[in-house]
Amino acid sequence: AQTVTQSQPEMSVQEAETVTLSCTYDTSESNYYLFWYKQPPSRQMILVIRQEAYKQQNATENRFSVNFQKAAKSFSLKISDSQLGDTAMYFCAFPRGGSQGNLIFGKGTKLSVKP
Amino acid sequence: DAGVTQSPTHLIKTRGQQVTLRCSPKSGHDTVSWYQQALGQGPQFIFQYYEEEERQRGNFPDRFSGHQFPNYSSELNVNALLLGDSALYLCASSLPGLAGYNEQFFGPGTRLTVL
Repeated sequence: AQTVTQSQPEMSVQEAETVTLSCTYDTSESNYYLFWYKQPPSRQMILVIRQEAYKQQNATENRFSVNFQKAAKSFSLKISDSQLGDTAMYFCAFPRGGSQGNLIFGKGTKLSVKP
Repeated sequence: DAGVTQSPTHLIKTRGQQVTLRCSPKSGHDTVSWYQQALGQGPQFIFQYYEEEERQRGNFPDRFSGHQFPNYSSELNVNALLLGDSALYLCASSLPGLAGYNEQFFGPGTRLTVL
């Protein structure tokens, strides 16, 4: 079965510091995508960063970067220079069977950035 | 350019009733996916529509049905509501793509409460 596990239900970080959110997954696919989504208290889910499994280089988007360990099936998200606006639920996800649109999500990590 | 819109924002129903939720995709998108997000959980895939046909379906009973219109907008219908159907229902739109993966854009969701 394809699964996504986020083992940190809640985390907090001081503004301007760095925080890492963990995610492990299980799939038999050889080529796939991995995603981190952010869901702020206003509820609209937005894509933060994505990683293609065949690419060895870790993806980076401004203050957000990932540590992708394919053999270990680990996909962590690092947020540098945390800002108050980063406060949100963060979900790790990947497409079931590599197909379009059918995303499997973890249970999420609630991140609080404190001033 | 309007993003994904959903209506209504909130809805309260009683057990046994039927409900219809609506979604308009982002401009240029023709694929719509529906997810159910229970409180404190990650979204779970319900089904996906493309070219007015249900293309994929998650592990949801037949009480959950949908429709896609020629203008690509979509409806989610739930019959014989149960208390456990109380959740945030998210709609996401994307381009179908023939290869690779196209980002899904999420709407703000409809909060359904079943009493």
